[in-house]
Amino acid sequence: DAKTTQPNSMESNEEEPVHLPCNHSTISGTDYIHWYRQLPSQGPEYVIHGLTSNVNNRMASLAIAEDRKSSTLILHRATLRDAAVYYCILRDWSDSGNTPLVFGKGTRLSVIA
Amino acid sequence: EAQVTQNPRYLITVTGKKLTVTCSQNMNHEYMSWYRQDPGLGLRQIYYSMNVEVTDKGDVPEGYKVSRKEKRNFPLILESPSPNQTSLYFCASSRGRDSSRAETQYFGPGTRLLVL
Repeated sequence: DAKTTQPNSMESNEEEPVHLPCNHSTISGTDYIHWYRQLPSQGPEYVIHGLTSNVNNRMASLAIAEDRKSSTLILHRATLRDAAVYYCILRDWSDSGNTPLVFGKGTRLSVIA
Repeated sequence: EAQVTQNPRYLITVTGKKLTVTCSQNMNHEYMSWYRQDPGLGLRQIYYSMNVEVTDKGDVPEGYKVSRKEKRNFPLILESPSPNQTSLYFCASSRGRDSSRAETQYFGPGTRLLVL
């Protein structure tokens, strides 16, 4: 699987936008970029995913660089509930149909009231 | 509410005493999977299932068994637990296999297991 690199930690003030970067310089043409997060003492939670174009949903936006070697997860107004570890993951096609999620270290986001 | 449930949430047991962790999803998903999460090692897949009666090993299957007799349930069985199976376990499900690289996985709340 192609590797991703994220900062270990970031901090944000409540109600401010947060930009979480992810580098994936060895991404293949068929890799999807997924973001999940894990709140304390909870299971991982899907945030957003995309292939080439920028994506928006009710939780966040995903900005993908034109060369796809990096992406940024954008939380438009951070709340205390957004404090979590955020994981950037690449997922490619598998003949078996099994593409397990492989979490790296992720970025621990702290939100300050 | 669409969800994946796991039971129990917390379990303390002793070496060699068989146990089962249940997992159930109410989304009619074909694909289900078990992961364990350990500090410094991230999430590792134990077993997965593409559909009823179709299961296969993930990256760390030793010491575990699974079954998929019904679409909604995917229990994880530890026949003879050992201390190195102390971990946080997550069950996950997703809609299907064909577009798996684009599919969302839905996770249960986790089961924290301590084997003494």
